[in-house]
Amino acid sequence: QSALTQPASVSGSPGQSITISCTGTSSDVGAYNFVSWYQQHPGKAPKLMIYDVSHRPSGVSNRFSGSRSGNTASLTISGLQAEDEADYYCSSYRSSTTRVVFGGGTTLTVL
Amino acid sequence: QITLKESGPMVVKPTQTLTLTCTFSGFSLSTSGVAVGWIRQPPGKALEWLALIYWDDDKYYSPSLESRLTITSDTSKNQVVLTMTNMDPVDTATYYCARRIGSAFDYWGQGTLVPVSS
Repeated sequence: QSALTQPASVSGSPGQSITISCTGTSSDVGAYNFVSWYQQHPGKAPKLMIYDVSHRPSGVSNRFSGSRSGNTASLTISGLQAEDEADYYCSSYRSSTTRVVFGGGTTLTVL
Repeated sequence: QITLKESGPMVVKPTQTLTLTCTFSGFSLSTSGVAVGWIRQPPGKALEWLALIYWDDDKYYSPSLESRLTITSDTSKNQVVLTMTNMDPVDTATYYCARRIGSAFDYWGQGTLVPVSS
C-alpha cells in the first residue's frame, strides 16, 4: 500500500484544467512544506515538476502549479496539452528517518 | 550539465545480492546539502524510495527494506553504490538513482531494469 493516496486516473480535454490530489497525514503532507510532484512519460525517467509544495523548477511551464490544504496536496495543470498525458507522482518528506514517501501515481489522459 | 547513470547486472538470481552503481557528473557529493538517492519502480507500478546518502555521509533507508540495503559513496569517483541482499522475483524493477537537493529529486538517471529470475 502506497504511503500517499492519489486517484488512479484523471482526464481532461485540451485547454481544460485538471487537478490531481495527494492525500497524506499530519505526519507528512500536512506537517512540512516538502511536497514534490513528478511527471513520468512511458519508458522515461520521472521529471521534477513542483517542489516545496508550490515552487516550479526552472524550465517547467507555468501551466503547472501546486498547493496544499491540510493533509492534501494538489497539482493543477491548466490549458491541458496532449504532451501532458503522463503518469504523475507526488512525494513528501515524512520524518528524520523516513525521508521520502511517494504516492501511488495518477495517470492523466488528455481526451 | 548534470547527469546520472545507473549500471548493474542484466539479471539477478533469487537469493543473490544486487549491486548497483550510480555514476554522476556535473555536481559533487561533497557539496553541502547534496544527496543521491535510489528509487525503484516495478513494471506497471508506482515509484518506491529505497535509500539516500548525503554529502556528510548520513544515510537513510526505507524502513520496510532497511535490513537488506546498504548505500555507500565514493566521492573521488563520483559514484554511489546500492547493495540489496536476498533478491526475490518481487524485486524485479527499474532502479533509478537521482540527485536530491532539499526535499526533491531534481535530476534522475535513465534507470536500469533488473529482472530477478532463476
